[in-house]
Amino acid sequence: ETGVTQTPRHLVMGMTNKKSLKCEQHLGHNAMYWYKQSAKKPLELMFVYSLEERVENNSVPSRFSPECPNSSHLFLHLHTLQPEDSALYLCASSQGTGNTGELFFGEGSRLTVL
Amino acid sequence: DAKTTQPPSMDCAEGRAANLPCNHSTISGNEYVYWYRQIHSQGPQYIIHGLKNNETNEMASLIITEDRKSSTLILPHATLRDTAVYYCIVSRLWTGGSQGNLIFGKGTKLSVKP
Repeated sequence: ETGVTQTPRHLVMGMTNKKSLKCEQHLGHNAMYWYKQSAKKPLELMFVYSLEERVENNSVPSRFSPECPNSSHLFLHLHTLQPEDSALYLCASSQGTGNTGELFFGEGSRLTVL
Repeated sequence: DAKTTQPPSMDCAEGRAANLPCNHSTISGNEYVYWYRQIHSQGPQYIIHGLKNNETNEMASLIITEDRKSSTLILPHATLRDTAVYYCIVSRLWTGGSQGNLIFGKGTKLSVKP
């Protein structure tokens, strides 16, 4: 138990569906992240939110839309995805400043796009 | 561009020390060495980090060579639960949030065998 909870753990969706991934952290951190892990590829950073402001967007297609309503919650809204978007989506959080900056990851949401 | 080189896989007998090497010959003076691991179907987990001195915590020891061009992560008494992919990451001091990105490579798949 890392203090970062992701739901759903598994999601299957068609290319025309709209769905959302949810992440919640109970650690009092002020930065949250979305990573993508495709099969046999390294983790790729998608988005960074610091103090609820998006501070990084790594050229992610607009069919992925993040939302950070408060420092404890992070969403990834999905629409008109492609089969190649099938991957493990990992949420992480950290305390933005003042310590090691250790990343705490959730267990991920396994997404399959049909 | 990869800043670290790790063997793709290693085996270790249960109860023995696991020594995981990492080469980072282009490391800069202000860059730290971070280690994370990812157990199958889970998010990555922080292990340890260091600058030039050897470091030890409850999980592992980190030995950094004097020229800082390589390091070794040591799990003193490996158990079956230590089977995972281990990532060596070189980065300037990372405090999270808007400080940028920890770049994960392909890591070393450690298999601990009975």
